[in-house]
Order: sequence, then C-alpha cells, then structure tokens
Amino acid sequence: DGGITQSPKYLFRKEGQNVTLSCEQNLNHDAMYWYRQDPGQGLRLIYYSQIVNDFQKGDIAEGYSVSREKKESFPLTVTSAQKNPTAFYLCASSPRAELWQPQHFGDGTRLSIL
Amino acid sequence: GDSVTQMEGPVTLSEEAFLTINCTYTATGYPSLFWYVQYPGEGLQLLLKATKADDKGSNKGFEATYRKETTSFHLEKGSVQVSDSAVYFCALTLNSGGSNYKLTFGKGTLLTVNP
Repeated sequence: DGGITQSPKYLFRKEGQNVTLSCEQNLNHDAMYWYRQDPGQGLRLIYYSQIVNDFQKGDIAEGYSVSREKKESFPLTVTSAQKNPTAFYLCASSPRAELWQPQHFGDGTRLSIL
Repeated sequence: GDSVTQMEGPVTLSEEAFLTINCTYTATGYPSLFWYVQYPGEGLQLLLKATKADDKGSNKGFEATYRKETTSFHLEKGSVQVSDSAVYFCALTLNSGGSNYKLTFGKGTLLTVNP
C-alpha cells in the first residue's frame, strides 16, 4: 500500500545533540512538508520541498535543516540550535497538482529531551 | 495575516448526538478550506474540502459549507459514533496567481464520543 512512513515513532535527544527524523513516501509525490505540532496548537510549517534538490523555509525553520536528494525521502534534522525541540513532528506529501493540499500525513515522530 | 479560529474543545457528546464544530477564517483573497482529522497516535487525514464559496464538502457523514458572507466553514455530522473521537483541524490555503499557498491550521478541537 502507498503511504508515508516516519521513523522512529519515539526519539530522545540529549542536550547539544543533533537528531534526524526520517520521512519516506512511496506515493510518487513531488511535494513534501514537515510540520511541528505542540499541545493545544495547530500545525506549524518547518520546511517544505516542491521538487527534488529544492526546499524552502517555513514559518519556524530556525534550528532545523532538511535535504531532498531523492523524491521519496525528506529527512529533518533537529539541531542543537533548536532550544525547545520537544514536540510531535509530522511529515506530509502531495502531488504537484494538489500543492498545499496533503491528503495524508505520516504517523509522526515524538521527540523528547533527556 | 491569514488565520483560522476554531471553537475550543474539548467537545464531549453521546453516541448519535448532532455535532457542530465552528470554524471561521480571516484571509485576503479567496481561500480553499479544509477539515483534517487526527485519530489518537496517528497523523492527519484530509476529511473534506471546499474550494469556492457555497461549495459543500462531505465525507463519512461529515459536511461543511463554505460561507463567504460569514467567513465560516463549520463542520457538522448528524449522528456521531464512538469511532469519530479524534482531533479535528480546520485549515485554509490561499490561491495566489493560480497557485495555492501555505496551509494555515486552526488549533484543533478534541472530540470525545461516549457510548
């Protein structure tokens, strides 16, 4: 079945450590997105990519980095510069014809600080 | 800027009750409107959408009508089930120059349906 796979489901980070969250899709979608979800908040856009080898900052990109070397993969690195990384991270994708209208999201990665 | 305001939850209903979750928006231009649902421990799924005024989106017994005059997109269901328990997000995108632009979400409304 086609879908979006995020891993790991739970992740713990020590102070000063970078961690990378994986997002893989087998839907052949051009566009991919990373969102951060905090309790009682809507989703906020971190980064997005409309095509391979290109990505753009969203509203809260500081302390995060991404790459888009393959169409199916859009990993997110949470760097030590992100001072409040504890959150639920969601990856999504959409075809070019439905840009900004993701039908499905991955099941998320919950990141916590040790 | 563009924004979406949803009724604050949590909303608790008994099975077979009528559901309304209010959503209003502020946007320059002509947005497309969406409702997403997030079941416990999962990501979001697109529930329904409407792309122009007076359009009605519907799916799984849920409905929402795009009301430009009141800038609203309220979600309704005539008879909720326990399996509808989830967080519901209202969202919009703007159409700028023929292209959609960045999805803006409301804060979400938690719905709990009791048997």
